[in-house]
Amino acid sequence: NAGVTQTPKFQVLKTGQSMTLQCAQDMNHEYMSWYRQDPGMGLRLIHYSVGAGITDQGEVPNGYNVSRSTTEDFPLRLLSAAPSQTSVYFCASSYSLGRGAGTGELFFGEGSRLTVL
Amino acid sequence: SQKIEQNSEALNIQEGKTATLTCNYTNYSPAYLQWYRQDPGRGPVFLLLIRENEKEKRKERLKVTFDTTLKQSLFHITASQPADSATYLCALVRNAGNMLTFGGGTRLMVKP
Repeated sequence: NAGVTQTPKFQVLKTGQSMTLQCAQDMNHEYMSWYRQDPGMGLRLIHYSVGAGITDQGEVPNGYNVSRSTTEDFPLRLLSAAPSQTSVYFCASSYSLGRGAGTGELFFGEGSRLTVL
Repeated sequence: SQKIEQNSEALNIQEGKTATLTCNYTNYSPAYLQWYRQDPGRGPVFLLLIRENEKEKRKERLKVTFDTTLKQSLFHITASQPADSATYLCALVRNAGNMLTFGGGTRLMVKP
């Protein structure tokens, strides 16, 4: 049981390049989300999904795109990278968040560290 | 605007003492509040949840209180150990329970 797996762990991009951060979970969680973490800013929600085919915007969605074609995968796309997108990105999933039951515990991946030059 | 505030300054305490971390929020009516631990270079790990109708929750050496009148949660670690050194994050659920919003975290340093 791998939990939440993020790839790549590190990436350096040039301004204007595009890339996809991959996230996969093997816990059959309906809920998945992407956060970015910056010094002094804490974790900020980018996008989330409550099930396959359903996505919604979080607090800071601009510049990012997501899709959810399967329960397991939730990739995050940067269409035209900017230096302001330099950050650590975390994918997280939950069994019960959004259902109003259980603890709503989020299971996080180990993070993807992105630098945009 | 909605805010979740945690003390951004590091908390330094001596081993064996009780550590108390604070989470204050404004303009929220959270259904529940969670606490997470984050070690350097790692993702956050869930510790405890407390619901709006609960005053206190305990788990081993951890205790969380929730005062919806003061809009504040306190997180206590009793008999603290150097291994408890980490950043602790509080988080609130909003938007019909689909969005978990985090505070900035407080770094705890427990000295032997």
